Amino acid sequence: NAGVTQTPKFRVLKTGQSMTLLCAQDMNHEYMYWYRQDPGMGLRLIHYSVGEGTTAKGEVPDGYNVSRLKKQNFLLGLESAAPSQTSVYFCASRTTDGYTFGSGTRLTVV
Amino acid sequence: GESVGLHLPTLSVQEGDNSIINCAYSNSASDYFIWYKQESGKGPQFIIDIRSNMDKRQGQRVTVLLNKTVKHLSLQIAATQPGDSAVYFCADGGGTSYGKLTFGQGTILTVHP
Repeated sequence: NAGVTQTPKFRVLKTGQSMTLLCAQDMNHEYMYWYRQDPGMGLRLIHYSVGEGTTAKGEVPDGYNVSRLKKQNFLLGLESAAPSQTSVYFCASRTTDGYTFGSGTRLTVV
Repeated sequence: GESVGLHLPTLSVQEGDNSIINCAYSNSASDYFIWYKQESGKGPQFIIDIRSNMDKRQGQRVTVLLNKTVKHLSLQIAATQPGDSAVYFCADGGGTSYGKLTFGQGTILTVHP
């Protein structure tokens, strides 16, 4: 999707390892979001940000941390990965015109 | 917590038929709803949205109907094509701040040629 870039696209972690997922948008959007999508389910909100330097918890925040040091970047961190965090992670940004989603990061924790 | 649910997990139609995908929501304060299409391996793609001050909104081959009395919305796709095959989600934008979306489970639409 144009405007929202997620890296990496795929990753395999061992239980207990840590990693950071990067979301970058070049549309100067204030609001950014991290969602996870498990098989057969809709997206669930992990954390979100309403502007540079701000973050807030969503529906399923446990085991994740986020940072928004720069307006264009929203980072999602896994401190100690668990198999339950195996999922596809989507980042989105928003203006009054609507939402733009990234193409996702597929994370497997073994 | 608030939830958004779908009545049918799968829908199979013939090419050229009209498709109707339903969604129920529970947050009576919700004032904004979006329908998304998601193809395999991709992120959600915006289809159409509707605000609570409207009952109906039309796009290209798609129509969204909103019934606030029973907290139900539907997505109608006219002349369904094989390229419409995907998972369709309704999302509830809530009635409060920050634009947090609550997604339904999704309906798998399969269009047979």
